[in-house]
Amino acid sequence: SQQGEEDPQALSIQEGENATMNCSYKTSINNLQWYRQNSGRGLVHLILIRSNEREKHSGRLRVTLDTSKKSSSLLITASRAADTASYFCATDSWGKLQFGAGTQVVVTP
Amino acid sequence: NAGVTQTPKFRVLKTGQSMTLLCAQDMNHEYMYWYRQDPGMGLRLIHYSVGEGTTAKGEVPDGYNVSRLKKQNFLLGLESAAPSQTSVYFCASSSARQARGEQYFGPGTRLTVT
Repeated sequence: SQQGEEDPQALSIQEGENATMNCSYKTSINNLQWYRQNSGRGLVHLILIRSNEREKHSGRLRVTLDTSKKSSSLLITASRAADTASYFCATDSWGKLQFGAGTQVVVTP
Repeated sequence: NAGVTQTPKFRVLKTGQSMTLLCAQDMNHEYMYWYRQDPGMGLRLIHYSVGEGTTAKGEVPDGYNVSRLKKQNFLLGLESAAPSQTSVYFCASSSARQARGEQYFGPGTRLTVT
């Protein structure tokens, strides 16, 4: 079973716009991580937010975590064509990650 | 540093054949993982290892076996391949010092079972 579920499943935006995707999960977590996967490639870690944190920034990425609602959001600001990829949230409950199905983001020039 | 490497990159098997996928990492990580990724789904954990000589079952272990004889290598075996094992397989590793931190992924092995 998948712990995290991303919403939307797909997102199409133009360069310069912001992209927001959400992740909901079911059980308590130690941390929540976001990964990016370019077509045909492995996953790349983007950012980790711990259960006692509410917001975290890394460059053009902003992640929020609401443990009371069991949800997280990933915001990519000023998107670029190179941001075209699938984005996955992964929850860590007992040292193992459980991934959602991902949000496919397409950024057009 | 090569990071995490996987061999082979592609493989086609017939039902009933066996094969071994090799994962190697040069980051001296203690933890290693095997996942499978199917269309429209996230990654699902097959088996994992927290150190040399130790392995444990993940979410979908049936039909697979693993071995971790050396710290840097993690092997995934399919003894009798089935079409349901057609998938993309990813290996990952992480540091025990960051036991609940990021995982580093290999480029994947695309396996087709006919």
